[in-house]
Amino acid sequence: ETTLTQSPAFMSATPGDKVNISCKASQDIDDDMNWYQQKPGEAAIFIIQEATTLVPGIPPRFSGSGYGTDFTLTINNIESEDAAYYFCLQHDNFPLTFGQGTKLEIK
Amino acid sequence: QVQLQESGPGLVKPSQTLSLTCTVSGGSISSGSYYWSWIRQPAGKGLEWIGRIYTSGSTNYNPSLKSRVTISVDTSKNQFSLKLSSVTAADTAVYYCARDHVYKAFDLWGRGTLVTVSS
Repeated sequence: ETTLTQSPAFMSATPGDKVNISCKASQDIDDDMNWYQQKPGEAAIFIIQEATTLVPGIPPRFSGSGYGTDFTLTINNIESEDAAYYFCLQHDNFPLTFGQGTKLEIK
Repeated sequence: QVQLQESGPGLVKPSQTLSLTCTVSGGSISSGSYYWSWIRQPAGKGLEWIGRIYTSGSTNYNPSLKSRVTISVDTSKNQFSLKLSSVTAADTAVYYCARDHVYKAFDLWGRGTLVTVSS
């Protein structure tokens, strides 16, 4: 089973900031990494596929990088609406596994 | 626009079977490009993939839950379902259904439903 170590668990940012969220896999997963955004009471939204590809309709201030075991979600020029819970998913091997999530607060 | 909606009892007694249904609206569950998955999240913990089904009936389950899980599909109702047997308090969680693209994994989620296991 692939363990995903996501960090930080919590972060606070100011509008206009740039933030990075890390997800490290316990084994090589190529680029089979997705990122999601979830707000309380809402369905999770698919934001990054295959580690680096922005899902259509997602603002370009979101970006993803990485390959193999180290991955990063970057949000540039943060806006208040970006306050949410973010999590990573690996779909390289079974069972599919998730990072523990990051709660992003906007001051 | 395809949407997913979970439904089922919010309270289940210990040792009983948890049963949930996910209704797919705005599109056909029989699309050849997708599996249909269940995922859960206990309060304060990370997400856990439970398992998935293809419309042919083929399934994959998380080994940690495999002995207690059954996922089924009813294409005539555009629904798929989860049964989790012999539940304990550790099964208390928000349960999500998701559309699982064959190459991209989860591309659409339901809002989730809280299931509490308690007597």
